[in-house]
Amino acid sequence: EAQVTQNPRYLITVTGKKLTVTCSQNMNHEYMSWYRQDPGLGLRQIYYSMNVEVTDKGDVPEGYKVSRKEKRNFPLILESPSPNQTSLYFCASALRDPNYGYTFGSGTRLTVV
Amino acid sequence: QQQVKQSPQSLIVQKGGISIINCAYENTAFDYFPWYQQFPGKGPALLIAIRPDVSEKKEGRFTISFNKSAKQFSLHIMDSQPGDSATYFCAASERNTPLVFGKGTRLSVIA
Repeated sequence: EAQVTQNPRYLITVTGKKLTVTCSQNMNHEYMSWYRQDPGLGLRQIYYSMNVEVTDKGDVPEGYKVSRKEKRNFPLILESPSPNQTSLYFCASALRDPNYGYTFGSGTRLTVV
Repeated sequence: QQQVKQSPQSLIVQKGGISIINCAYENTAFDYFPWYQQFPGKGPALLIAIRPDVSEKKEGRFTISFNKSAKQFSLHIMDSQPGDSATYFCAASERNTPLVFGKGTRLSVIA
């Protein structure tokens, strides 16, 4: 089944403790992206990658890191999480760019206390 | 700066009625206008999309209407059903640039 897999689905952590949210897709998509979803703010892009070893900042990149060492994986790293990063996170992939239509993962609900 | 403005924030429609969600954009270079549907606990899923060379696109009960001169596009859901209750996002982009999403509309279809 073609899909984007995120792990974990739920995570509660403490301020300052480094964490990684994994994202993997099995569709050989070139484009991958991370979004956060907050009430009243919709979907805001954190980082995106147009291909292996190519990453770019989205609208809200502060406090996040990403890497794209393999085509299928695009992990999101929070080096020192803070409470304002409590949010619902989505990974998405597209064949070449978002104009081909995104496939989203099921989301990771992160709480930073 | 919000590049895609979506309204209303929430919408309640009777079963069998028409649901209408509107979006307005500012960037005249946008050439791709998708709508995504998100059910609770799930990621958004592409519902329907349109490019500016047509004024309307229909897929089943879902129709996008596009007005290039007014820089507006809208989603119409005909014969709305309780199963259509979800959050809907409009979006826009130029080729090879990130999608810009609206803030979403929570639709509730009541029997």
